[in-house]
Amino acid sequence: DTGVSQDPRHKITKRGQNVTFRCDPISEHNRLYWYRQTLGQGPEFLTYFQNEAQLEKSRLLSDRFSAERPKGSFSTLEIQRTEQGDSAMYLCASSPALPGGEQYFGPGTRLTVT
Amino acid sequence: AQSVTQLDSQVPVFEEAPVELRCNYSSSVSVYLFWYVQYPNQGLQLLLKYLSGSTLVKGINGFEAEFNKSQTSFHLRKPSVHISDTAEYFCAVSGNTGFQKLVFGTGTRLLVSP
Repeated sequence: DTGVSQDPRHKITKRGQNVTFRCDPISEHNRLYWYRQTLGQGPEFLTYFQNEAQLEKSRLLSDRFSAERPKGSFSTLEIQRTEQGDSAMYLCASSPALPGGEQYFGPGTRLTVT
Repeated sequence: AQSVTQLDSQVPVFEEAPVELRCNYSSSVSVYLFWYVQYPNQGLQLLLKYLSGSTLVKGINGFEAEFNKSQTSFHLRKPSVHISDTAEYFCAVSGNTGFQKLVFGTGTRLLVSP
């Protein structure tokens, strides 16, 4: 297995445009997480899936953000009507459904909103 | 809810010297504790984790950490650092029941110079 992959690695968009990011987790992991990391900060939790069910969402996830995980495999994170404050690194992680199961992180998608 | 404090934003150290990166946490429930490392333009990699049992945890690349419940600390140590250890280090905490999202500190940049 090659680990968690994310696409694209970099995205530059103009304010007001919609963007979509993809995450492919480690195949046998049924938990998938999205985090956002801004400059000089640690990652902040956005949302979490167990299989295809989205079980928790942070208050950081405004109604402009939507995440899906059809069929419990890959996941997409869409941001509608992007704002400059959305500029950040978006990290995806996956883990097995075990207590304290290690979360394996992808390389991230760096979003720049101009 | 949990929170993490990493008091040092940057720690400069000479090669082959020992280093300690400090982490304090706050939680109303029992916790799991983690240290992650992030190299430039890469995702986070797990160094070590404390789930239960022995309070001294050994991880990859010669790092170790000690869980101190009374001081709510989980400091990371390495007896002799290398240039290649230069990176950002994040301490993270999660509750140990139910869904376990990671709450990260703001990170400590370790700068190893020759």
